[in-house]
Amino acid sequence: GNSVTQMEGPVTLSEEAFLTINCTYTATGYPSLFWYVQYPGEGLQLLLKATKADDKGSNKGFEATYRKETTSFHLEKGSVQVSDSAVYFCALEGGGADGLTFGKGTHLIIQP
Amino acid sequence: EAGVAQSPRYKIIEKRQSVAFWCNPISGHATLYWYQQILGQGPKLLIQFQNNGVVDDSQLPKDRFSAERLKGVDSTLKIQPAKLEDSAVYLCASSVSTDTQYFGPGTRLTVL
Repeated sequence: GNSVTQMEGPVTLSEEAFLTINCTYTATGYPSLFWYVQYPGEGLQLLLKATKADDKGSNKGFEATYRKETTSFHLEKGSVQVSDSAVYFCALEGGGADGLTFGKGTHLIIQP
Repeated sequence: EAGVAQSPRYKIIEKRQSVAFWCNPISGHATLYWYQQILGQGPKLLIQFQNNGVVDDSQLPKDRFSAERLKGVDSTLKIQPAKLEDSAVYLCASSVSTDTQYFGPGTRLTVL
């Protein structure tokens, strides 16, 4: 079946640091890949997505590239801000099922 | 555009009691999903509806959980009887078809 593995948290960084959150997946066929974010006290929001190999999703300074050869979709940001503190979920959709399969989430803490 | 609405936001019950959650998706969204998010984990799909028909309920514990979407709009998820391990946030999401899913704020259930 489908599965998503992402790095354990919490990840603590200083403001303006470079961020990478690793995500790898297992799926049949060619899934779509997503990063969702959950800010404190709020619901899940779509951050970015990519629907085919080599696509790059981007939003709010975050980027992730769909790497079929390494089955990865790592999230990156060049300079994080305190307001980026949240829980980030990597997810996939596909392989015959339309529901999302999520990773366990990575709690990101940005210190000023 | 109004988002996905869910109620109640919080519910505390004792084990063996029954509970129901309500979801109203974004207007025009034919597909509706219910997810269970246990603390420290990513959301897990319970059931997916396309209009008022069930597309996937393979991970729904059918001995105690039931869901319906009678008129193809809003939906109800019921647990009867509840167990301690059902303590979680229950998320509703909707999408136009199999595109981006939009999540509601969730209902936090505590079973004592």
